[in-house]
Amino acid sequence: DAGITQSPRHKVTETGTPVTLRCHQTENHRYMYWYRQDPGHGLRLIHYSYGVKDTDKGEVSDGYSVSRSKTEDFLLTLESATSSQTSVYFCAISGRGSAGELFFGEGSRLTVL
Amino acid sequence: GDSVTQMEGPVTLSEEAFLTINCTYTATGYPSLFWYVQYPGEGLQLLLKATKADDKGSNKGFEATYRKETTSFHLEKGSVQVSDSAVYFCALSASSNTGKLIFGQGTTLQVKP
Repeated sequence: DAGITQSPRHKVTETGTPVTLRCHQTENHRYMYWYRQDPGHGLRLIHYSYGVKDTDKGEVSDGYSVSRSKTEDFLLTLESATSSQTSVYFCAISGRGSAGELFFGEGSRLTVL
Repeated sequence: GDSVTQMEGPVTLSEEAFLTINCTYTATGYPSLFWYVQYPGEGLQLLLKATKADDKGSNKGFEATYRKETTSFHLEKGSVQVSDSAVYFCALSASSNTGKLIFGQGTTLQVKP
């Protein structure tokens, strides 16, 4: 199994509070991604990174920010959580930019009350 | 923009039945195509892939053929088992060289003994 760890795995928070999800990899892969999974929508890309301090937006980036200060860590931050951000968040990694397999973490379930 | 459309679920089959899950796509260029599977409580894992037209991906008895003329990548299995119960996602690689995947909405398969 690919070495990907997400934390926390479960979190309940209140509207307006900041939340940070962490993705840690031990594979030294260049590319890292944050997706959210919602019923009827499949997985949608929030942000991704193609190297240390190199990040870009995905299709649903509003309300989210990311940081990657080390190859192994990719942080997703919700500055002020809203109920619409209740979801399951998946981190993924890839060693290749094109046609490469993505390896997924086990997911972080976030509930915003 | 690029997109993936999967058949609506859930799909309920009896053990040993034939499975087809339809997937069609819209994309510029020549994307690679993927099927991912998500077992309950887990992250996604790659089931099979095809990187060019007429390629057939196969794994664990599942098959899918990259049909450029019909822009399709339907998933098939000749005889399903209870252990195949999961959510199946069709995906394509985005046109940019960043490894981003665009997912369909997912199809839930339930196999009954």
